[in-house]
Order: sequence, then C-alpha cells, then structure tokens
Amino acid sequence: DAKTTQPNSMESNEEEPVHLPCNHSTISGTDYIHWYRQLPSQGPEYVIHGLTSNVNNRMASLAIAEDRKSSTLILHRATLRDAAVYYCILRPEYGNKLVFGAGTILRVKS
Amino acid sequence: GAGVSQSPRYKVTKRGQDVALRCDPISGHVSLYWYRQALGQGPEFLTYFNYEAQQDKSGLPNDRFSAERPEGSISTLTIQRTEQRDSAMYRCASSNLYRTTGELFFGEGSRLTVL
Repeated sequence: DAKTTQPNSMESNEEEPVHLPCNHSTISGTDYIHWYRQLPSQGPEYVIHGLTSNVNNRMASLAIAEDRKSSTLILHRATLRDAAVYYCILRPEYGNKLVFGAGTILRVKS
Repeated sequence: GAGVSQSPRYKVTKRGQDVALRCDPISGHVSLYWYRQALGQGPEFLTYFNYEAQQDKSGLPNDRFSAERPEGSISTLTIQRTEQRDSAMYRCASSNLYRTTGELFFGEGSRLTVL
C-alpha cells in the first residue's frame, strides 16, 4: 500500500482557514487521494477525494499538486466542530482496501 | 436502516471466551469492511466483503479471528479464545459502490474489553 505522511498535529484559530498537508511521493497513477476525519468518540467520516484535479465540496477543498506527490485539505473557516483527526489515504482504483495511517490531530482554538 | 448498525455497543468478556460482533450495513451497500481501532491510533484494516464474498482478509491478526457475510448483508466478526490484547473498538463500514471511489460509512463501533 502506498504510504502517506502527515504532521502529527496542527492548531488553528476559529474562523480562520486551515491547510492540512499530506505527502505521498510513492503514489501511483491510479491511486485516488481520500480524506476522512474522525471526531472525538465517533467513527471516521468521509470528507473528500480526488485523482488529479482540485475538488470542492460543502465540507472542504482538496488541492492536488501537479506531480500528485502531495495534496492539501483546506477547511475554509475552521470551527470548533472541525476539531478532529484528519486522515489522508491513498486508494487504488481496483482495490477496495482503505488503509488508515496515524492522521493529523487538528485543534481549533476559540 | 438509516446508518450502519453495530451490536453490541459494549462487550466485556473474560479471557478465553468467544465473542461475536455484528454489523448491519446500510441497505443495498455492496461492500462491507471491518476495522479495529486502539485508543489514540487510526483504524486498522481487518477484512472486507463484496456481497457475500470475502475479498481480502489480510488484516486479520491470526486464525482466532474470522468474519462472514453469508447473505451479502449482515456480517459477523468472531474472535475465538479472546485475549487481553484483543481489547479495542471494532468498527464496521459499508459502501454503495463496487469500486474504490465510493465513500465508506462507519458505524458507531463495538467496544470490546477482555478481562
């Protein structure tokens, strides 16, 4: 399984944008980049995914580097409810296995 | 049901006993996954099914762990002769797409404590 590298933790102020980085230098051409987050005492929830182009949805934006060796999850205005562990995961096109790493703990200060 | 349902939510058992954890996926979801999560760590993949077929069981720690999904809907994860190191949150997830881009929906988990 291709590996991702994320910072252990990050801190943000409420109402400010947050950029969560992920490095995946061994990504293959058919790997999708998925992001999930896990709120305290809950199961993981899907945030966003992409292949090559940047993606936006109601929760976040995903910016993918041109060489695809890194990506950034962008929360446009962090709220206290966004405090969670954020996981960046590579998922092969023809494999259903989703392998979680340690993720980034995001703390949001009021 | 509206979401992935897991039971029991909490299970306390004595070492050496067998336990069965049940997962009822979202209706119509083809794929079903089992994960185990220790405190402070990310979910660890155990196994997954497409319909009733177990596609990958490479994450099952040893032969005390098994899973089945006989009719392609409800799944059971069974741990035989439990050990204290099996204590963890066991999470089930389901997905409505056969391929990988389908998002996973997770249940609330079954917390297993082995005394």
